[in-house]
Amino acid sequence: KNEVEQSPQNLTAQEGEFITINCSYSVGISALHWLQQHPGGGIVSLFMLSSGKKKHGRLIATINIQEKHSSLHITASHPRDSAVYICAVISGSGGGADGLTFGKGTHLIIQP
Amino acid sequence: KAGVTQTPRYLIKTRGQQVTLSCSPISGHRSVSWYQQTPGQGLQFLFEYFSETQRNKGNFPGRFSGRQFSNSRSEMNVSTLELGDSALYLCASSLAPQGHSYEQYFGPGTRLTVT
Repeated sequence: KNEVEQSPQNLTAQEGEFITINCSYSVGISALHWLQQHPGGGIVSLFMLSSGKKKHGRLIATINIQEKHSSLHITASHPRDSAVYICAVISGSGGGADGLTFGKGTHLIIQP
Repeated sequence: KAGVTQTPRYLIKTRGQQVTLSCSPISGHRSVSWYQQTPGQGLQFLFEYFSETQRNKGNFPGRFSGRQFSNSRSEMNVSTLELGDSALYLCASSLAPQGHSYEQYFGPGTRLTVT
């Protein structure tokens, strides 16, 4: 079973700062997801990665398959970025038989 | 295109009762996955359905079950409710089964409270 660790658990930053959230996993994967959850519960999928790097607006996600590590970066952070960011993986073997395995999430607060 | 819808959004039940939650996926999506989110355990995978077949199941007791209909709508059922079943239940739909690297789209969730 894949173990997914995220850091930091909590992060408070000032508006405009560059934010980095890290995710490590223990077993090879077929894909990694970065999710955003706002208060109230709704979850939005930000990125799905199996290699390399993806960028969408101010958000950048990278993954290093050899090191079993991914990072989510937010440039020019804004208070509306305040949310819980969750890393989730599909293990590489078994065709997704274990479903998504989730990290505990990073609670991000951006202060004006 | 309409998103994933879940009904009801909120539910209060008593210990020992059973409950059925519904999920309607995005049109054209044939995979529906269910997740439980609690403050203590975070998000956990319950099960996935694809083309009316359960593909896989997470580590939950048999009280948790589900099914998928021919129009891809899915229901999950929890029997003999326990206080610990209080949680946000989320479903997500996708074009293809998990493990095929397709993005998942989440519904707003059903918040179940067991008293």
